[in-house]
Amino acid sequence: EVQVVESGGGLVKPGGSLRLSCAASGFTFSSYTMNWVRQAPGRGPEWVSSISSSSSYIYYADSVKGRFTISRDNAKNSLYLQMNSLRAEDTAVYYCARDRDSGSYHLDYWGQGTLVTVSS
Amino acid sequence: QSVLTQPPSVSEAPRQRVTISCSGSSSNIGNNAVHWYQQLPGKAPKVLIYYEDLLPSGVSDRFSGSKSGTSASLAISGLQSEDEADYYCAAWDDSLNGYVFGTGTKVTVL
Repeated sequence: EVQVVESGGGLVKPGGSLRLSCAASGFTFSSYTMNWVRQAPGRGPEWVSSISSSSSYIYYADSVKGRFTISRDNAKNSLYLQMNSLRAEDTAVYYCARDRDSGSYHLDYWGQGTLVTVSS
Repeated sequence: QSVLTQPPSVSEAPRQRVTISCSGSSSNIGNNAVHWYQQLPGKAPKVLIYYEDLLPSGVSDRFSGSKSGTSASLAISGLQSEDEADYYCAAWDDSLNGYVFGTGTKVTVL
């Protein structure tokens, strides 16, 4: 069974940092592009970043460029999101999602999400 | 503000049909695949339609999708109470170099 499970969320002060993790299982992780998508309270989903299977291609939303860094460890079947210089507007549930066809952005499996709250 | 525009809400009686529009531009819908997601309250989004009109395994054939030019549509026929949810279209945008979700549509079954 395909599963992706996020962790690492929590309460952080503005300007602080946090590292999210996503543990994947049930599929060949190293063959898929992976994504982070967030959803602020009461708002729709917002794509944050994607990383190709071999980390050769990485993209970021303008809203996080220069502050967030996506990475992966295929040996550990894990995806990461390093978030620095956090702002109140980064408060959201962060989801890890698999791109079924690498580059199509057909996000076929999502985790349950991890909540990040940026507040003083 | 998203570059993909959807009506904020649609409502209809049980067993009726609703259509949700998604309006974009040549840099997104006009040149890239459109996918639709359903989000039930308190849950993660779930893909409902991919590549404009394909249904994932396990999704009811009451759902259908289409695309024409820079717009896409999702139709739900035989509306049921379990269809009450938020629906989002999404596509890659060549100008923004990012994946964009629509503004979202809340479906209410009267």
